[in-house]
Amino acid sequence: DMVMTQSPATLSVSPGERATLSCRASQSVLNNLAWYQQKPGQAPRLLIYGASTRATGIPARFSGSGSGTDFTLTISSLQSEDFAVYYCQQYNTWPLTFGGGTKVEIK
Amino acid sequence: QVQLVESGGGVVQPGRSLRLSCAASGFTFSSYALHWVRQAPGKGLEWVVVISNDGSNKHLADSVKGRLTISRDNSKNTVYLQMNSLRPEDTAVYYCAKDYGSGSYYPIFDCWGQGTLVTVSS
Repeated sequence: DMVMTQSPATLSVSPGERATLSCRASQSVLNNLAWYQQKPGQAPRLLIYGASTRATGIPARFSGSGSGTDFTLTISSLQSEDFAVYYCQQYNTWPLTFGGGTKVEIK
Repeated sequence: QVQLVESGGGVVQPGRSLRLSCAASGFTFSSYALHWVRQAPGKGLEWVVVISNDGSNKHLADSVKGRLTISRDNSKNTVYLQMNSLRPEDTAVYYCAKDYGSGSYYPIFDCWGQGTLVTVSS
């Protein structure tokens, strides 16, 4: 199975600062990579797909980049509502797999 | 608006069975594949299974092969997850999630239900 590794596990950031989250695949997934945000007690929400395309209604401060095995999610200026756990997911091959998540917490 | 509502969770003993349901509304149900994704308490997300829009094609995670079966009834806008031979490690919130693609797989999840908790314990 494709292994997705996210780093760091926890990221401490002050509001207004930039956050950079990483996701690495054990083999190339081309650009078949999505990012989700999950807040406590809620279902995940799709942020990015195709490695860099924002989903409907997602603010422009969220951006994705990368291809092949290395991907990045950047939040340009963290707002209070952005503190959450972020997951990457590959959809290049079955079974679909997620990374272990990065928790973005308030510094 | 697009809505997915799961039901059927609860506490079950190891080795027993449970059937989850996911009722959909707000979109053309028969055009979209549906997935189940689970999340153990305090853990990350794990994709479990998908069924194609017409029910003719399925994919499952290795961890559940032979024990979990997905089906759908397009006349009722509902997808089901039959869970047999349950194990303690199946304890999780089970989310129903809509595939992004219409008519064929585009396996990302653009709408999720609120989840239903399954606890496997004696």
